[in-house]
Amino acid sequence: AIHMTQSPSSLSASVGDRVTITCRASQGIRNDLGWYQQKSGKAPKLLIYTASKLQNGVPSRFSGSGFGTDFTLTIASLQPEDFATYYCLQDYGYPRTFGQGTKVEVK
Amino acid sequence: EVQLVESGGGVVRPGGSLRLSCAASGFSFEDYSMNWVRQAPGKGLEWVSGIYWNGVSTGYADSVKGRFTISRDNAKKSLYLQMNSLRAEDTALYFCASLAVPGDYWGQGTLVTVSS
Repeated sequence: AIHMTQSPSSLSASVGDRVTITCRASQGIRNDLGWYQQKSGKAPKLLIYTASKLQNGVPSRFSGSGFGTDFTLTIASLQPEDFATYYCLQDYGYPRTFGQGTKVEVK
Repeated sequence: EVQLVESGGGVVRPGGSLRLSCAASGFSFEDYSMNWVRQAPGKGLEWVSGIYWNGVSTGYADSVKGRFTISRDNAKKSLYLQMNSLRAEDTALYFCASLAVPGDYWGQGTLVTVSS
């Protein structure tokens, strides 16, 4: 199975900060990667698909990049509603695998 | 309105079995591959199993392979997960999800607790 290494596991940031989260795949997955946001007690929400495409309704401060094994989620200017946990998910065939998650906390 | 409603969770002893169900409405269920994703208390998301729209192809996480079986009934717009030989580490909230674009749909989850 493809292993996804996500970093950091947590970070502290302030409103207005630029935040970057990375995921590394154990083998090449083209651009078959999505990013999810999960708030406490809620189902996850898709932010980015195919590594860099913004899901409908997601603010443009979110962006994704990468191809092959290395991927990045960037939040250009952190907003109060962005404090949450973020996960990458590779969908390069079965089995699919999530990264371990990155909790974005208030500094 | 799109809805995915999971059911079938509960408390079961180690070695026991449970069958989870997910009832879909508000979208063309028969056109979507579907998945089960779980989250142990205080832990991250784990993809458990997936099934193609036509049921022909299925996939499983290594942690459940040989113990869990995914299936679907497109006529009933339902997804299922048969869980056998349950272990304490299978304790989690189990979500039914499409993991698709543009229709990324999730249920609210059903809790499975494996405990003696």
